[in-house]
Amino acid sequence: AQSVTQPDIHITVSEGASLELRCNYSYGATPYLFWYVQSPGQGLQLLLKYFSGDTLVQGIKGFEAEFKRSQSSFNLRKPSVHWSDAAEYFCAVGARGGNYQLIWGAGTKLIIKP
Amino acid sequence: EAGVAQSPRYKIIEKRQSVAFWCNPISGHATLYWYQQILGQGPKLLIQFQNNGVVDDSQLPKDRFSAERLKGVDSTLKIQPAKLEDSAVYLCASSALRQDYGYTFGSGTRLTVV
Repeated sequence: AQSVTQPDIHITVSEGASLELRCNYSYGATPYLFWYVQSPGQGLQLLLKYFSGDTLVQGIKGFEAEFKRSQSSFNLRKPSVHWSDAAEYFCAVGARGGNYQLIWGAGTKLIIKP
Repeated sequence: EAGVAQSPRYKIIEKRQSVAFWCNPISGHATLYWYQQILGQGPKLLIQFQNNGVVDDSQLPKDRFSAERLKGVDSTLKIQPAKLEDSAVYLCASSALRQDYGYTFGSGTRLTVV
């Protein structure tokens, strides 16, 4: 069955430190890959997406993610986090066809230490 | 461009009561999605519309949930009667083209059933 796993429920990082959020997926073929961010009381905002081509994808707010086919992973990184990055982050995969629906991970809550 | 509008932002009801949520997508967006997001989980798709037709409602609990999208524009999601386990954030999203996964999410309606 298709699934998305975000192993870390919470991650605490000091302001200015680097960040890596993990995402692994189980899918029959190479899916489309997404990272979304959700701030408290807000809807979901797209950070970046991978469809094809360069496996290192740049997104908004200084985030990047790398698709590793051999590891079925799409980890999100940021070299230096800011207090405003505190939020919940969701990884999602989408089919290359059909109803074009997203399958979502359970999310990782990012906590920033001052 | 105006975003996806949802109302109300918050709703508290007693179990067995009914409730309705409203969503106005971005103008011209043909595809509309309703998601249920329970605390600590990723969004779960309830129903997907393409214009005013239902593409997928396989995860909609049809004994108590209903949704419509009149004239292919705004949409209403109803729960009748509500159960405690329906407490969640209900997110609406829209996209112009399904295959580019260009979702725009509303801020959601937080439902508490007591």
